[in-house]
Amino acid sequence: DQQVKQNSPSLSVQEGRISILNCDYTNSMFDYFLWYKKYPAEGPTFLISISSIKDKNEDGRFTVFLNKSAKHLSLHIVPSQPGDSAVYFCAASSEGSNYKLTFGKGTLLTVNP
Amino acid sequence: DADVTQTPRNRITKTGKRIMLECSQTKGHDRMYWYRQDPGLGLRLIYYSFDVKDINKGEISDGYSVSRQAQAKFSLSLESAIPNQTALYFCATSDLRQGSKTQYFGPGTRLLVL
Repeated sequence: DQQVKQNSPSLSVQEGRISILNCDYTNSMFDYFLWYKKYPAEGPTFLISISSIKDKNEDGRFTVFLNKSAKHLSLHIVPSQPGDSAVYFCAASSEGSNYKLTFGKGTLLTVNP
Repeated sequence: DADVTQTPRNRITKTGKRIMLECSQTKGHDRMYWYRQDPGLGLRLIYYSFDVKDINKGEISDGYSVSRQAQAKFSLSLESAIPNQTALYFCATSDLRQGSKTQYFGPGTRLLVL
């Protein structure tokens, strides 16, 4: 049973526009969520996180929104840049699991110049 | 210098061979993890260790073993490699003692089992 789902395998946006990547989860015990970015031939790089006590966290061009009632989070990138083209993974964890990460399958974002 | 290093970066081996993938970190973190990534499947946890004397199985540990030789070193072994172990392997670290729930990844090892 997949506890973290990224239902869009790919997303294509124009440079300068907003990119919105979505993630759904089923385990209500998850209390900490992260987004990672991965370029080919590199390891995942931590991007931004959010605790379940918040509904929004911002870091420069990146904002993560958490809707606990819907068990949904999203990553907004504004404005999108060609260098943002990568695979984005959503991950979730809980205190009960000692903060082991459960990953979604990833979304390939392509930002076109 | 990279905080989390993995060796080798690429490896080709034959079915039945024993191989070891190594991970070292200079971050001083207490927790270390091994993941594999397969196309379309995201990252799945193989083994993890919260301390030198602590080893735990992840969701896909069959066919693998690990050794935590020191706080900074965590190695993954495939005792008898099989073709469906062809994948990207990532090591990661974290340190909850510092209040951080974030894991930091190495660059990965690409393994091909023929």
